[in-house]
Amino acid sequence: AQSVAQPEDQVNVAEGNPLTVKCTYSVSGNPYLFWYVQYPNRGLQFLLKYITGDNLVKGSYGFEAEFNKSQTSFHLKKPSALVSDSALYFCAVRDMQNYGGATNKLIFGTGTLLAVQP
Amino acid sequence: EPEVTQTPSHQVTQMGQEVILRCVPISNHLYFYWYRQILGQKVEFLVSFYNNEISEKSEIFDDQFSVERPDGSNFTLKIRSTKLEDSAMYFCASRRTGLNYEQYFGPGTRLTVT
Repeated sequence: AQSVAQPEDQVNVAEGNPLTVKCTYSVSGNPYLFWYVQYPNRGLQFLLKYITGDNLVKGSYGFEAEFNKSQTSFHLKKPSALVSDSALYFCAVRDMQNYGGATNKLIFGTGTLLAVQP
Repeated sequence: EPEVTQTPSHQVTQMGQEVILRCVPISNHLYFYWYRQILGQKVEFLVSFYNNEISEKSEIFDDQFSVERPDGSNFTLKIRSTKLEDSAMYFCASRRTGLNYEQYFGPGTRLTVT
């Protein structure tokens, strides 16, 4: 079964420091990976995706993620954290088991709460 | 920038009542989804919809649930007889045709069943 794991429930970082939010995946075949962010009482906002190509993908708000096939990881990073980055971050993988069918639902991790201290 | 919209933002209902949650996907998107998030838990897939029919549903999506695209813009989720455990945030999402495209999510409807 396809899955993603976010091993940290919470990540604390000081403003201005680099941040990393971890994600590992388990899929059959090539993964389609996504990061979403959820602010309090808001929906999920798309940050970035990896489909193919460069292992380092850049997304919204200065975030980037590094795809590592050998470690089956897709960690989210930002060189300098802002207090406004504090939110819940979800890693997701597209379910390709119904390839050829019209679904491709997302399978989400449990989320990591990022807390950036001023 | 176009976005997915959902109404209402919060719905309170009594157990056993029917509710309809409404979504307006992004206009050129053809794939539609409902997900839910029980408080403090992860986001779970409910159903996907394409070409006016359900393309996949999860085991959560039992006979009490149904979806419909009644016109060219709305996409609805109906729960026929709500249970306490249906209390959750329900998210609608849509995406364009093509495997490389991401899903865009609405702001959610918080359903509270009392």
